[in-house]
Amino acid sequence: GIQVEQSPPDLILQEGANSTLRCNFSDSVNNLQWFHQNPWGQLINLFYIPSGTKQNGRLSATTVATERYSLLYISSSQTTDSGVYFCEDGQNFVFGPGTRLSVLP
Amino acid sequence: DTEVTQTPKHLVMGMTNKKSLKCEQHMGHRAMYWYKQKAKKPPELMFVYSYEKLSINESVPSRFSPECPNSSLLNLHLHALQPEDSALYLCASSQDAVGAFYNEQFFGPGTRLTVL
Repeated sequence: GIQVEQSPPDLILQEGANSTLRCNFSDSVNNLQWFHQNPWGQLINLFYIPSGTKQNGRLSATTVATERYSLLYISSSQTTDSGVYFCEDGQNFVFGPGTRLSVLP
Repeated sequence: DTEVTQTPKHLVMGMTNKKSLKCEQHMGHRAMYWYKQKAKKPPELMFVYSYEKLSINESVPSRFSPECPNSSLLNLHLHALQPEDSALYLCASSQDAVGAFYNEQFFGPGTRLTVL
């Protein structure tokens, strides 16, 4: 089956810093989503991005389907950005292992 | 409205109990999903219903029994669970399911299950 990798596994930032999270796929992906899981377990939709680039406020995402990766950019990070970020292959319903982000005040 | 609701929020049950988890969506979605998430791990797919029919069962033990009474509701019946089944159970829905061109998923808040 398809393998989904995410890097880095853990990230600690000072408030106001920028970061880039990466998601790699072992095979082509047609439906790619990024989620933020808050401390209570809720998975919050960030982007549905099979290809191209999208932006939503301080967050943006880029998927290069031909090269089997997607990037999530977080700018001017805030403490409320803390949590776990997952990418998911929405065609095979496989999640990556996640990136655990901690933003310090 | 992009809301998926799940009840109960928390559930504690013994190994001999029978209980059910419920999930509801009113987005007109025709696919619904159950995922299981253990602590510090990603969600793992258990079941997919498409147009009220079970389309994917990821080799889940029979002590978990899904049911889709109609296109808005999804249940997960639990019986004779083991302590290792303790986890966060997440429900999701999407416009369509396997092979769909557009298939953005929306997740509920989850039910945190503890099996004693």
